[in-house]
Amino acid sequence: GDSVTQMEGPVTLSEEAFLTINCTYTATGYPSLFWYVQYPGEGLQLLLKATKADDKGSNKGFEATYRKETTSFHLEKGSVQVSDSAVYFCALSDPFNKFYFGSGTKLNVKP
Amino acid sequence: EADIYQTPRYLVIGTGKKITLECSQTMGHDKMYWYQQDPGMELHLIHYSYGVNSTEKGDLSSESTVSRIRTEHFPLTLESARPSHTSQYLCASSDYRVGPMNTEAFFGQGTRLTVV
Repeated sequence: GDSVTQMEGPVTLSEEAFLTINCTYTATGYPSLFWYVQYPGEGLQLLLKATKADDKGSNKGFEATYRKETTSFHLEKGSVQVSDSAVYFCALSDPFNKFYFGSGTKLNVKP
Repeated sequence: EADIYQTPRYLVIGTGKKITLECSQTMGHDKMYWYQQDPGMELHLIHYSYGVNSTEKGDLSSESTVSRIRTEHFPLTLESARPSHTSQYLCASSDYRVGPMNTEAFFGQGTRLTVV
């Protein structure tokens, strides 16, 4: 079945460091791919998405490119801030709108 | 900004009590979901619905039940709460669009349930 695997955390970085959170997926069809962010005590918020191969999603300095050949959707940011500290979830939706989430990666950014 | 609301945000209740967690959305979405999130952060789908009068069990077995009498409302009920039900419960909704280019799921802020 479909699944998402993302790198385990926690990831601890200093402010202004470069961020990569790896995400790979397994899907039988042509999924849409998403990154969600969850701040403490809150629900998940959509960070960015990509709906077809080679699409790049971007928002708030974060980027991810839908790579069909490597079945990956890695999240990157050039310079993280303390306010980026949160849990990040990679997800896919299958053609029937069933969502599959990774296990989440906690990011801690230190001043 | 997502228009999906969960109440209450926090609930502490005694064992054996009946509880209902409320979830409402104003986006007209057909599909709605309930997830249970454990302390390790992982999300587990416990219920979903394709629309009015449709309810399905998710991947994780749950003693809770749901109903979908109106498009905008998808409450979750526990008839007899137990400490093992202590968790964060997240409600979500999405447009139901079969095929590629699906829309995203929108999440409520969650209900943190503690059963003592």
